[in-house]
Amino acid sequence: NAGVMQNPRHLVRRRGQEARLRCSPVKGHSHVYWYRQLPEEGLKFMVYLQKENIIDESGMPKERFSAEFPKEGPSILRIQQVVRGDSAAYFCASSPREKEGYTFGSGTRLTVV
Amino acid sequence: GESVGLHLPTLSVQEGDNSIINCAYSNSASDYFIWYKQESGKGPQFIIDIRSNMDKRQGQRVTVLLNKTVKHLSLQIAATQPGDSAVYFCAEAQKLVFGQGTRLTINP
Repeated sequence: NAGVMQNPRHLVRRRGQEARLRCSPVKGHSHVYWYRQLPEEGLKFMVYLQKENIIDESGMPKERFSAEFPKEGPSILRIQQVVRGDSAAYFCASSPREKEGYTFGSGTRLTVV
Repeated sequence: GESVGLHLPTLSVQEGDNSIINCAYSNSASDYFIWYKQESGKGPQFIIDIRSNMDKRQGQRVTVLLNKTVKHLSLQIAATQPGDSAVYFCAEAQKLVFGQGTRLTINP
């Protein structure tokens, strides 16, 4: 009865590289949400996806960031050409229904050097 | 835009005392709120939720109060224990907006 699984737990990238963060939702959950958290700050909503569809990406930067949740496999948050300001903890949550019953993963801590 | 904020960034209480963490929200149409606890290095953990058709909900050692008139909610933790040390967030769940967080520290 696994919860939300995120990997890797820690990711180090050099400026200009790509970062791929993976999120496997709770079994049976078809709604996935990504959040970013800077040190000593709250969680900022980035994107909400349902299987194969982006429902709300209002919190996603317009450039370099993309997210997908394919029919099979985990949800992926992709950051291209990373910059130091992308260093943060990225959390994924899933839910069985829209916007309720959220379960969070343990996060991926991205460090850009 | 919508915002969910907390009155205090930090709160220190004596072990065994009750803790009260406050949260204000701006959107009067908000109808579903969740309190989360986040320990260092971990993801947010659900504590308790409340919908706008209620003004109080109780869990194990926790109570959430919702005052829609002043757009305020609070989390009360009874008999605070060392394991309660964490950052506590309120979230407006319909719009997925999180507050800044209150760091709760327990003094022995």
